[in-house]
Amino acid sequence: GAVVSQHPSWVICKSGTSVKIECRSLDFQATTMFWYRQFPKQSLMLMATSNEGSKATYEQGVEKDKFLINHASLTLSTLTVTSAHPEDSSFYICSAWTDTSSRPTDTQYFGPGTRLTVL
Amino acid sequence: AQSVTQLGSHVSVSEGALVLLRCNYSSSVPPYLFWYVQYPNQGLQLLLKYTSAATLVKGINGFEAEFKKSETSFHLTKPSAHMSDAAEYFCAVRNNMNYGGSQGNLIFGKGTKLSVKP
Repeated sequence: GAVVSQHPSWVICKSGTSVKIECRSLDFQATTMFWYRQFPKQSLMLMATSNEGSKATYEQGVEKDKFLINHASLTLSTLTVTSAHPEDSSFYICSAWTDTSSRPTDTQYFGPGTRLTVL
Repeated sequence: AQSVTQLGSHVSVSEGALVLLRCNYSSSVPPYLFWYVQYPNQGLQLLLKYTSAATLVKGINGFEAEFKKSETSFHLTKPSAHMSDAAEYFCAVRNNMNYGGSQGNLIFGKGTKLSVKP
């Protein structure tokens, strides 16, 4: 099956610094990647949809200037949390469709997640 | 708008007992439904999906789910629980792009934590 990786798996940073999280599709090309955020003991909330070569589409309430998304290639999307604060601490998960996912029945493949802790 | 409701945030069963995790959905168009499992500090793994074909869907690890349109339900079951089944389970519905939905992103329920007692 399709494999999605994330790096780093966990990161601790100081308040005010920026953190970049990478999401890679290892054995397929992903024209569309999704970024989710999961608070402890809660469900996943979609933050944004990342399309290769174009600007990301953000969900309502998500600050695009704070959560910068870049999808520069068919196998890599990055999420940068700028000027991170303790309230940004969360579990960030990406997912991807394969490049053949033109049908809505196709599966999203999820990365293992990145746990961000902002001190 | 579409939504998913998972009844019971925590379900506890004995090893070998039936597992039943409930999921009800709301959708104005025919839905595509998914069940995912999440182990601690890991991403999500697809268990099974309903995509408008057979209403009884079989997935990995012995799980299955039945789509019941009249009840707007997609409950997940497994005849005999194993200790390794202890995890968080998420039901999700997907925007149906055939009916003009956007992108087809997933909308998740709040999750049900399954505990298995020895």
